[in-house]
Amino acid sequence: GIQVEQSPPDLILQEGANSTLRCNFSDSVNNLQWFHQNPWGQLINLFYIPSGTKQNGRLSATTVATERYSLLYISSSQTTDSGVYFCAVEPATYNFNKFYFGSGTKLNVKP
Amino acid sequence: DAGITQSPRHKVTETGTPVTLRCHQTENHRYMYWYRQDPGHGLRLIHYSYGVKDTDKGEVSDGYSVSRSKTEDFLLTLESATSSQTSVYFCATTMGGTEAFFGQGTRLTVV
Repeated sequence: GIQVEQSPPDLILQEGANSTLRCNFSDSVNNLQWFHQNPWGQLINLFYIPSGTKQNGRLSATTVATERYSLLYISSSQTTDSGVYFCAVEPATYNFNKFYFGSGTKLNVKP
Repeated sequence: DAGITQSPRHKVTETGTPVTLRCHQTENHRYMYWYRQDPGHGLRLIHYSYGVKDTDKGEVSDGYSVSRSKTEDFLLTLESATSSQTSVYFCATTMGGTEAFFGQGTRLTVV
């Protein structure tokens, strides 16, 4: 099946710092999403981004589908950004409409 | 966000007993999914449904069955619970070819 790798696995930031999270995938995808899992376990949609670049406030994401990776940028980080960030992909060549997750990046933003 | 309700939110059960988790959605989304989340594994797909009475297996389907008798409800059944099925279970829905939305999760402990 498709492999989804996220890096780094863990990240510690001082409040106000910027960061880049990466998601690599091993096969062509129809769709890609970024999620934030907050400390209470809730999965929150950040971006639906099969290709191109999107921005939402301090967060932005870029997917380069032809090179099989996506990046999530967090600028001016805040303590509320802490949690785990997941990317999920829907393979293009099989298993239509099934989403596969990476293992996540655990972010800890310190005040 | 889609209106997705999981029940129960927490459950403790004994090894060997049957358990059913329910996912209810109010958005008329065609596709529904059950995932489990375990430390070090991210989210793994158990089963999914692409329509009423239409289901398919995911990555970790052994020991689980599902049913979908109407659009809004997707049930996950553990026929005979084992300790290895202690996990957090998430339901998700999507219209298809669009972003997926997740319920709040069910924490299941098998003792």
